[in-house]
Amino acid sequence: KAGVTQTPRYLIKTRGQQVTLSCSPISGHRSVSWYQQTPGQGLQFLFEYFSETQRNKGNFPGRFSGRQFSNSRSEMNVSTLELGDSALYLCASSLWGNNDNSPLHFGNGTRLTVT
Amino acid sequence: KNQVEQSPQSLIILEGKNCTLQCNYTVSPFSNLRWYKQDTGRGPVSLTIMTFSENTKSNGRYTATLDADTKQSSLHITASQLSDSASYICVVSFNAGNNRKLIWGLGTSLAVNP
Repeated sequence: KAGVTQTPRYLIKTRGQQVTLSCSPISGHRSVSWYQQTPGQGLQFLFEYFSETQRNKGNFPGRFSGRQFSNSRSEMNVSTLELGDSALYLCASSLWGNNDNSPLHFGNGTRLTVT
Repeated sequence: KNQVEQSPQSLIILEGKNCTLQCNYTVSPFSNLRWYKQDTGRGPVSLTIMTFSENTKSNGRYTATLDADTKQSSLHITASQLSDSASYICVVSFNAGNNRKLIWGLGTSLAVNP
């Protein structure tokens, strides 16, 4: 089975721009979660989608949004980029999300640098 | 407040030595605790999961323990190898209404030197 695929691997953007990140989950997984990872804050939960519906949301401003398509692929969008948005963005898929004991399967992330 | 604290923040050991990483949590109601390994430039990978009734679980050279009374978990690495150099992250799951939520620790950065 192919793992979780995230594209692009690296991105450099300028303040004020917007960016869209993509995530293809493991086949058959219906839950996709997004995380922001920075050295000082660790993994910060952004949101989780399950069957095209946002099921959980973290404490991020409205500039961060996402969606999930019928094939479970997900995109995350960040508008009006700020320097503090520079981070590794990780996508994770699982069968049912957090509501069972199955692990999250992470992609290798998109490294976003905002200049 | 639900929190997960890991110690030490970083650790350097020599190849072949053992080490123990700690995870303390104040999460309630507890559902499970999982350890992830994250290599540099890669996403985290699950090592093991501990549920309330489990005290010890092994995965090769990795052994996790859980003391639900003191709300502490440890990850013991035996006969370390260079490939064990990574960040080890503890995450605790708790029940919140109809959903479970995750509280992530900041991780312990382990460097294994030859």
